[in-house]
Amino acid sequence: AQKITQTQPGMFVQEKEAVTLDCTYDTSDQSYGLFWYKQPSSGEMIFLIYQGSYDEQNATEGRYSLNFQKARKSANLVISASQLGDSAMYFCAMREMEGGFKTIFGAGTRLFVKA
Amino acid sequence: KAGVTQTPRYLIKTRGQQVTLSCSPISGHRSVSWYQQTPGQGLQFLFEYFSETQRNKGNFPGRFSGRQFSNSRSEMNVSTLELGDSALYLCASSLSGRNLYEQYFGPGTRLTVT
Repeated sequence: AQKITQTQPGMFVQEKEAVTLDCTYDTSDQSYGLFWYKQPSSGEMIFLIYQGSYDEQNATEGRYSLNFQKARKSANLVISASQLGDSAMYFCAMREMEGGFKTIFGAGTRLFVKA
Repeated sequence: KAGVTQTPRYLIKTRGQQVTLSCSPISGHRSVSWYQQTPGQGLQFLFEYFSETQRNKGNFPGRFSGRQFSNSRSEMNVSTLELGDSALYLCASSLSGRNLYEQYFGPGTRLTVT
């Protein structure tokens, strides 16, 4: 069964430092996509980064990079040079063909950036 | 290009009432999915519509229903509201819903049931 696990309910990071948010997933499908979303207190889901299961290179988007380790089924998000505005809830998510393309979300990690 | 819009943004209802939420997808998108977010259950898939047909359904009671119109706008309805239905309801749109990487979320409708 498809599943996303985020083991860090909350994380603290000092401003300007890098932080890694953990995500592991479980799927038997060969074709799937992994996402990270940021959700500020306003509630909107802001897309950060996407990694396809067949992508050989780790995805990067500005200060965000996804550390994709397919054999370990992990897709950790790395935020470099943290900013105060990065304080938010972060969700790891997966879509797979066998799952009917619905998105499964992890429980989320709340990130606090300290000045 | 306008993003996904949801109306209303906030809603307060009383237990036992019914509610209708609306989602307008990005122009040209034909797939609309709905998700419920609660502190206890997290983000859960409700259903997906494509070309006016429900194509996928999550594990929710029959009180939750939806529909999609010919212009791809979608509505979801919750009847006989319960306190546990208080949640943020998010919709997402994509061109076909059959592309792994494409999904655009709206700002959500926050429903409070008292």
